[in-house]
Amino acid sequence: DQQVKQNSPSLSVQEGRISILNCDYTNSMFDYFLWYKKYPAEGPTFLISISSIKDKNEDGRFTVFLNKSAKHLSLHIVPSQPGDSAVYFCAASAFGNQFYFGTGTSLTVIP
Amino acid sequence: DTEVTQTPKHLVMGMTNKKSLKCEQHMGHRAMYWYKQKAKKPPELMFVYSYEKLSINESVPSRFSPECPNSSLLNLHLHALQPEDSALYLCASSQARVTDGYTFGSGTRLTVV
Repeated sequence: DQQVKQNSPSLSVQEGRISILNCDYTNSMFDYFLWYKKYPAEGPTFLISISSIKDKNEDGRFTVFLNKSAKHLSLHIVPSQPGDSAVYFCAASAFGNQFYFGTGTSLTVIP
Repeated sequence: DTEVTQTPKHLVMGMTNKKSLKCEQHMGHRAMYWYKQKAKKPPELMFVYSYEKLSINESVPSRFSPECPNSSLLNLHLHALQPEDSALYLCASSQARVTDGYTFGSGTRLTVV
């Protein structure tokens, strides 16, 4: 059973506009979340994290929002750049144990 | 050193071959992981080593055999694989709690012919 879901397999955005990637989870015990970015034939690279004690974390152009009541998190990229084109995975963990990954969203930023 | 290094980057092997994938980290991480990732799918956890002991085996077939010789090295021994085992094999490492840092290697692209 998929505990972490990314329902949009792909997203296209114009350069300079906002990209919003969504992630839903089912396990209410998850208390730590990550977003990873992955280019083809490479391993995932860490992007940004958020703990369940927060509802927002910001790092430069990247902001992650967490809505615990809705079991939903989102990644905002503003402004989007062509180099942001990649597959984005969200991942969730409970009590510092292993991560469960979503299925990924392929983002294309159009110049 | 903040990297997880995986070798080889690419591997083609026959179904009767025996090969090994290697993973190395020097960040002092005490947990190491093997994942399998097929195209357009999320990484699937295979094995977890914690303090050099196997702590999780996610019902992986015995043709995959992990080994952790020391706290910096993790191997995955492959024998009698099937074409459907072709995938990107990712190694990751973390502190004892994943919230304290979790780093992936670039992966080994395995093709079984």
